Amino acid sequence: KQEVTQIPAALSVPEGENLVLNCSFTDSAIYNLQWFRQDPGKGLTSLLLIQSSQREQTSGRLNASLDKSSGRSTLYIAASQPGDSATYLCAVRPNTGTASKLTFGTGTRLQVTL
Amino acid sequence: NAGVTQTPKFQVLKTGQSMTLQCAQDMNHNSMYWYRQDPGMGLRLIYYSASEGTTDKGEVPNGYNVSRLNKREFSLRLESAAPSQTSVYFCASRKAGTGDYEQYFGPGTRLTVT
Repeated sequence: KQEVTQIPAALSVPEGENLVLNCSFTDSAIYNLQWFRQDPGKGLTSLLLIQSSQREQTSGRLNASLDKSSGRSTLYIAASQPGDSATYLCAVRPNTGTASKLTFGTGTRLQVTL
Repeated sequence: NAGVTQTPKFQVLKTGQSMTLQCAQDMNHNSMYWYRQDPGMGLRLIYYSASEGTTDKGEVPNGYNVSRLNKREFSLRLESAAPSQTSVYFCASRKAGTGDYEQYFGPGTRLTVT
């Protein structure tokens, strides 16, 4: 059974700092990995989707990397801002089946302080 | 284009009561999903519908039923609510096929069972 772990569970950084969020998964047979952002009391917003054949994917100040063989992904946030404060979730999709059932990590709650 | 919508936003039930959570998407997506989110456990898949007319169990289906009413709508029913079903429920949808398509999430329904 696939298990997804995100460490740390919570992180507080001062504004302007670069930071890395970690995601690890136990079964490397994945089709892709998706990073989401969740604001308090809100739904999930997709940030980046990285295919199993890719090493990284970038969007603005965000960069996601994937090392499938070691079961790890990182989300790098450059020049953090208070508006980046949210919970960040990663989820993996298996490479079998067509229904795209995602397995989620429990998230990292990020606070960016002034 | 409203994306994925869910009703109601909040609900309080007494043990044994029944209710239906509604979900609709206007993106012409084939696949739809119901998840629950509990503190410290991440999102867990309850049921999914890979395409109109099909439904399948996810990780935690006990106590729930679903109906894929048409391509747009996917409802989740609690026949006899229990306190263990207190949670935040998210509906999601995804374009069909095996491509790298993202899942899009609704804003969630916060359910409390007393």
